[in-house]
Amino acid sequence: GESVGLHLPTLSVQEGDNSIINCAYSNSASDYFIWYKQESGKGPQFIIDIRSNMDKRQGQRVTVLLNKTVKHLSLQIAATQPGDSAVYFCAENNPTDKLIFGTGTRLQVFP
Amino acid sequence: DSGVTQTPKHLITATGQRVTLRCSPRSGDLSVYWYQQSLDQGLQFLIQYYNGEERAKGNILERFSAQQFPDLHSELNLSSLELGDSALYFCASSVDGALRGGELFFGEGSRLTVL
Repeated sequence: GESVGLHLPTLSVQEGDNSIINCAYSNSASDYFIWYKQESGKGPQFIIDIRSNMDKRQGQRVTVLLNKTVKHLSLQIAATQPGDSAVYFCAENNPTDKLIFGTGTRLQVFP
Repeated sequence: DSGVTQTPKHLITATGQRVTLRCSPRSGDLSVYWYQQSLDQGLQFLIQYYNGEERAKGNILERFSAQQFPDLHSELNLSSLELGDSALYFCASSVDGALRGGELFFGEGSRLTVL
């Protein structure tokens, strides 16, 4: 299930720095948003979600921010670690109840 | 380990052929989803089944079909294969039929290469 080879934008950060991954979503009526992490050789894994009645939600080392005005979602990872290296996808749950994924961002963490 | 099992992990075939991808959902999950991940399209939703019945349809080609069996495993059939069908095919499962994202558990995918 590797995602190596996907033509994705890449974010390179140094270990210990904070990472910010951005995503623009398409449907202003979407009411639920999720960030997934896909490591090489694996399927996507749920990281954190947020509902449209919130603008911020925090998890362990991760924070998701939602700006409905500009249809923008971001994922902040604090103190990025080598194990955070992966492809990150945002997904929106649109009114037809289908989960629509963004194209993804590759995060590379270097020592 | 998500608990979702997909076979085969890798498959190489020729144009015009037909293949079947298999998915076993997590124990207790009634809903199965199929996604296609290709180089330039990201993760594309294909189809969803809930307890044996088709629940939602996405960008699934007419050459593709799927079904969910009484034991809840699912198969995705791809026929008249074209070069552009080369991709990773993911299966995901959830307990119920409502897509709430966070409750989706993905398998590790089946990589299809069409030569």
